[in-house]
Amino acid sequence: SQTIHQWPATLVQPVGSPLSLECTVEGTSNPNLYWYRQAAGRGLQLLFYSVGIGQISSEVPQNLSASRPQDRQFILSSKKLLLSDSGFYLCAWSLDSGANVLTFGAGSRLTVL
Amino acid sequence: GDSVTQMEGPVTLSEEAFLTINCTYTATGYPSLFWYVQYPGEGLQLLLKATKADDKGSNKGFEATYRKETTSFHLEKGSVQVSDSAVYFCALRHPPNAGKSTFGDGTTLTVKP
Repeated sequence: SQTIHQWPATLVQPVGSPLSLECTVEGTSNPNLYWYRQAAGRGLQLLFYSVGIGQISSEVPQNLSASRPQDRQFILSSKKLLLSDSGFYLCAWSLDSGANVLTFGAGSRLTVL
Repeated sequence: GDSVTQMEGPVTLSEEAFLTINCTYTATGYPSLFWYVQYPGEGLQLLLKATKADDKGSNKGFEATYRKETTSFHLEKGSVQVSDSAVYFCALRHPPNAGKSTFGDGTTLTVKP
């Protein structure tokens, strides 16, 4: 069966520090991978998605970047965090498009102080 | 572009009450429609889905019917339980958008004993 792992679960970082959130998927090949952000009391905002190794599409201009160094690994990064980067970050995967559902990781809560 | 509008929350109900959470969408073509649920501190998980007009998705006593004429996908449950307390997200997925999903802002449901 397929599983998705996301870490760290909780992170408190000072403004200006770097960030690295990791996500790995097991039990499937060539998944579509996604990073979403959920601000407090808000819906989900798609940040990045990837349909293959090294292929990254950014949905919104921001202080973050994403990379996919391996087929089932997706990394969210920042060189210098801003206060506005605080939020709940969710990694997700799916097979292809259409009716295939998104499967989410447990999330990473980032607080920037 | 695609959009999803959900009934604003929070919604507070007593146990065994009837639940309706409204969801309408705007999209060209024939998207697939989904309801996801997010329990406190966790990622989202699929609750139910429908892939074409008049399809009814159902799971754990929840139901939603894909109504193309009214572009709606309202979530219903006949008798809610305290354990149903969570945030509910309506979403659509549209193949021309490379499998990207569009989410509503979420509706927080609290069920009191």
